[in-house]
Amino acid sequence: KQEVTQIPAALSVPEGENLVLNCSFTDSAIYNLQWFRQDPGKGLTSLLLIQSSQREQTSGRLNASLDKSSGRSTLYIAASQPGDSATYLCAVGPSSNYKLTFGKGTLLTVNP
Amino acid sequence: GAGVSQSPRYKVAKRGQDVALRCDPISGHVSLFWYQQALGQGPEFLTYFQNEAQLDKSGLPSDRFFAERPEGSVSTLKIQRTQQEDSAVYLCASSQRGGSGGNEQFFGPGTRLTVL
Repeated sequence: KQEVTQIPAALSVPEGENLVLNCSFTDSAIYNLQWFRQDPGKGLTSLLLIQSSQREQTSGRLNASLDKSSGRSTLYIAASQPGDSATYLCAVGPSSNYKLTFGKGTLLTVNP
Repeated sequence: GAGVSQSPRYKVAKRGQDVALRCDPISGHVSLFWYQQALGQGPEFLTYFQNEAQLDKSGLPSDRFFAERPEGSVSTLKIQRTQQEDSAVYLCASSQRGGSGGNEQFFGPGTRLTVL
């Protein structure tokens, strides 16, 4: 059974800092990996989707990498802003079906 | 519409009541998913539709949970005789294509269900 772990569970940084969020998964037979953002009381906003054949994806100040063989992904956020404060969730999509398996998330607080 | 919509956004039910949660997927999306998110946890898969066919309901926690998508667009998740442990956020997601192999899923805002 696929298990997804996100470290750290919570992170607090001053505005302007670059930061890295980590995601690890136990079964490397994945089709893709998605990073989501969730604001309090809201749904999930898709940030980046990395296909298993890709190594990284970039969108603005966000960069996500994928190392399928070691079961790891990182989300890099450059020049963090208070508006980046949210919970960041990592989810893996398996090769055999469509079910996303999520980690518990990292709660990020960016202090002005 | 522009995105996935869900209604109601908030629902408070007394234990034992039946509830119905609605999801409107992105127009033209073939696949529709329901997930359950408990407080402080990541979402967990409940069920999957490809058009009107419910291809997987392995995540439904009990036979009190029932989902349908009769015309292949709007879906309803029904919970009968609600229990306190059913309290959670219920998320709906849709993706453009069907079948296996990781198509990007787009999520709605969720329905927060509180059972008293």
